[in-house]
Amino acid sequence: GENVEQHPSTLSVQEGDSAVIKCTYSDSASNYFPWYKQELGKRPQLIIDIRSNVGEKKDQRIAVTLNKTAKHFSLHITETQPEDSAVYFCAVKNTGNQFYFGTGTSLTVIP
Amino acid sequence: NAGVTQTPKFRILKIGQSMTLQCTQDMNHNYMYWYRQDPGMGLKLIYYSVGAGITDKGEVPNGYNVSRSTTEDFPLRLELAAPSQTSVYFCASSLGNRGSGGSPLHFGNGTRLTVT
Repeated sequence: GENVEQHPSTLSVQEGDSAVIKCTYSDSASNYFPWYKQELGKRPQLIIDIRSNVGEKKDQRIAVTLNKTAKHFSLHITETQPEDSAVYFCAVKNTGNQFYFGTGTSLTVIP
Repeated sequence: NAGVTQTPKFRILKIGQSMTLQCTQDMNHNYMYWYRQDPGMGLKLIYYSVGAGITDKGEVPNGYNVSRSTTEDFPLRLELAAPSQTSVYFCASSLGNRGSGGSPLHFGNGTRLTVT
């Protein structure tokens, strides 16, 4: 199966600063890379995704970059706000349509 | 659309009991998945299905069984519950491949299971 590593496991930033979370994966044939936000006691919810034929995607304060050669992708959150505090998971989909998840990053935005 | 619906929300089982976690989706998605999430951990794939009548094992299938008789329903069966199966279980569905990549997972609200 796929091996997805996610770093850091915890991240604290001051409100207004940027946050970056990184993931690496092992299967070079993987073709879809979503990011999920999970608030305490809730289900994971998609915040942004990127497909294998794209290097970068942006949606307001959130962006994702993908380096297929190096097999890593990153989530960037700019101008962080207290409501961005949550656990963030990266995921990787392989050609068999199986999704594998990283172990999560607990982000705390300090007002 | 209700999306992905899971029942029950909470359940306490005694060791050795069995139960079925129900999952249904109304988005006509072919792909369905069961994940478990342990505290402070990511989601681990238990079983998945690419369509009615087809199921396959994920990363952690031991102690579980699934069936997919219809597109909408994908129940997860726990036989002989063990404390190691204490976890939060999420069902998810997806449209599958789209263009050069895929489409996202849509999650249910989860079932919190405790085995004592």
